[in-house]
Amino acid sequence: KAGVTQTPRYLIKTRGQQVTLSCSPISGHRSVSWYQQTPGQGLQFLFEYFSETQRNKGNFPGRFSGRQFSNSRSEMNVSTLELGDSALYLCASSSGTGGGKNIQYFGAGTRLSVL
Amino acid sequence: GENVEQHPSTLSVQEGDSAVIKCTYSDSASNYFPWYKQELGKRPQLIIDIRSNVGEKKDQRIAVTLNKTAKHFSLHITETQPEDSAVYFCAASIREPKLSNNDMRFGAGTRLTVKP
Repeated sequence: KAGVTQTPRYLIKTRGQQVTLSCSPISGHRSVSWYQQTPGQGLQFLFEYFSETQRNKGNFPGRFSGRQFSNSRSEMNVSTLELGDSALYLCASSSGTGGGKNIQYFGAGTRLSVL
Repeated sequence: GENVEQHPSTLSVQEGDSAVIKCTYSDSASNYFPWYKQELGKRPQLIIDIRSNVGEKKDQRIAVTLNKTAKHFSLHITETQPEDSAVYFCAASIREPKLSNNDMRFGAGTRLTVKP
């Protein structure tokens, strides 16, 4: 079974631009969660999508948005980029359907640098 | 919402010693507490987890304990080895039986260094 795939792996943007990151979950997984990882803040929860619906949301401004497609692939969009958005963005997939363990499996991440 | 605090932020031990990392959480409804290990340049990987109906769980050299009353849980690594060096994250979430809510909040991480 293929793992969680994130594209692109690296991205360089300038302030004010917007960016879209992609995450393909493990086959059969319906839940995709997004996290921002920075050295000082650890792993910060952005949002979770399940069956094309945003089920949970963290404390990030509206510039951060996402969506999920019918095949469970998810995209995250950040508009009007700021220097502070430079981080490693991780997505994690899980079955999301209850019962037993609901382990989250992480992708390798997209490292975004905003200049 | 849930708030998870993790201590210490850095920990250095001698090979063979034990390491303990502690986390506290704020939401008494949280009932699932996983621990992730992230090696340099790699993705976080689950190493052990515990549910609120269990007080302690062991897996070889690692164990996790949970005190629901005090709302804290800890990771214990015994007989540490250099390959245990990594950043460890605790997390807490509410797992509803049917929905498996994935609003998982992570601690800030502990950088563990095991010196040979």
